[in-house]
This record gives sequence, C-alpha cells and structure tokens, in this order.
Amino acid sequence: AQSVSQHNHHVILSEAASLELGCNYSYGGTVNLFWYVQYPGQHLQLLLKYFSGDPLVKGIKGFEAEFIKSKFSFNLRKPSVQWSDTAEYFCAVSLPRGSGNTGKLIFGQGTTLQVKP
Amino acid sequence: DSGVTQTPKHLITATGQRVTLRCSPRSGDLSVYWYQQSLDQGLQFLIQYYNGEERAKGNILERFSAQQFPDLHSELNLSSLELGDSALYFCASSPRDIVSTDTQYFGPGTRLTVL
Repeated sequence: AQSVSQHNHHVILSEAASLELGCNYSYGGTVNLFWYVQYPGQHLQLLLKYFSGDPLVKGIKGFEAEFIKSKFSFNLRKPSVQWSDTAEYFCAVSLPRGSGNTGKLIFGQGTTLQVKP
Repeated sequence: DSGVTQTPKHLITATGQRVTLRCSPRSGDLSVYWYQQSLDQGLQFLIQYYNGEERAKGNILERFSAQQFPDLHSELNLSSLELGDSALYFCASSPRDIVSTDTQYFGPGTRLTVL
C-alpha cells in the first residue's frame, strides 16, 4: 500500500534558522504531492503542491519544496523561520486517475515545528 | 477561513451512543471527503462523496456511515461509539470528482470525545 513518511516528528528551531522537513513516499508511479500546515486551533491549509513541471515549487509564506523523483522525496524548506511558523506540517500524496486512485489524500504522520522567539 | 464549515466543533458523548457530524463544502465544490485524525493513526481517509453519490471508501468502520444531500452538505454518522473513536474528524471539499491535482480545502474539524 502507498504510504508517506515524515522523518522528523518534532522540530525545535530558533527564529531566523533555516528549516527543512523531510517527506518520502512509497509509490512507483506518478504522484501528486502536497504540503499542508495546521496552525494551533486552526484547520489544515495548503502550503504548496506539485503535480508536474518545475520540481522546485514555491508556496505561501516563503515556503518551498523540491520534488526529487529518484529519491521519492518532497522536502519542505524555508530559509528563515518565524515564531508564527509554529504549527504542525503534513506531507500528503494523491494518485492520478487510473491508478486505483480514490481521490483521497494519503498523509504522513505530521511534523510539529516549534519556533522559539 | 477555507469556506468549509463543520458543526459541532466539539462533541462529548458516551460509549454506545450515536452522533452525527455535519459538513458544508465550499460554494461550488461538489466533492466532500471525510478524514479522521487520531494520535495513533494520524490522518486517515474515511469516505468521499461526489454530487450525492458515494465515490470511494477508505478505512471506514461499518459502524460509520455518511451521506451527501442535494444541497451538497454531508453528514457523517457514527454509531455504537467506542472509546477508540475519540478523534478529530475533518471534512474537506474540492470542485471535481477524483481529480487528484485539485486542492482539498479542509474545515475546522469536529473534536469527538467518547467517555
């Protein structure tokens, strides 16, 4: 079965530090990739998504992610984090039509990011 | 605000009881997805509806059921509740049916506590 792994469960950074959150998926074919963020007490919001084209994707709030097909990875990065980036981050995958896709998102376990002021 | 609304925000009930969670999708979205978020299982897909029809099932228990009404709102019914059903239940919506590049917009969730 397809799965998504997020290596870091809890990350603590100081403001202005650089961030990289790992995400790997297990599926040999074409995938669509998403990063969602859940701020404390709020709903899941889309940060960015990739389905084709330039493997370096820019999202909202200064986040970007790079799709590396050979590594089955889609790592999230931000050059300089702020206290307001404290949140839980979820990597997710969806599969194209015709691959047994149900339209569902398959989520990783999430990474809690705590940014110290 | 994603435009997806869910009620109630919190629900506390006892084992063996039945509850109904409600979701209204974003205006114009025809697909509704239900997800369960628990500490041990993470975020898991439960079921999807498109324009009133069930389209896909995930890890949904037989004690759970859902439907989507003509006005496109959806309800998730959980019955014979067990302690392990305590979780955050999210609804998401998207414009089309099984278009995997579509963004799913999530509601604020309903936190269910079973005592």
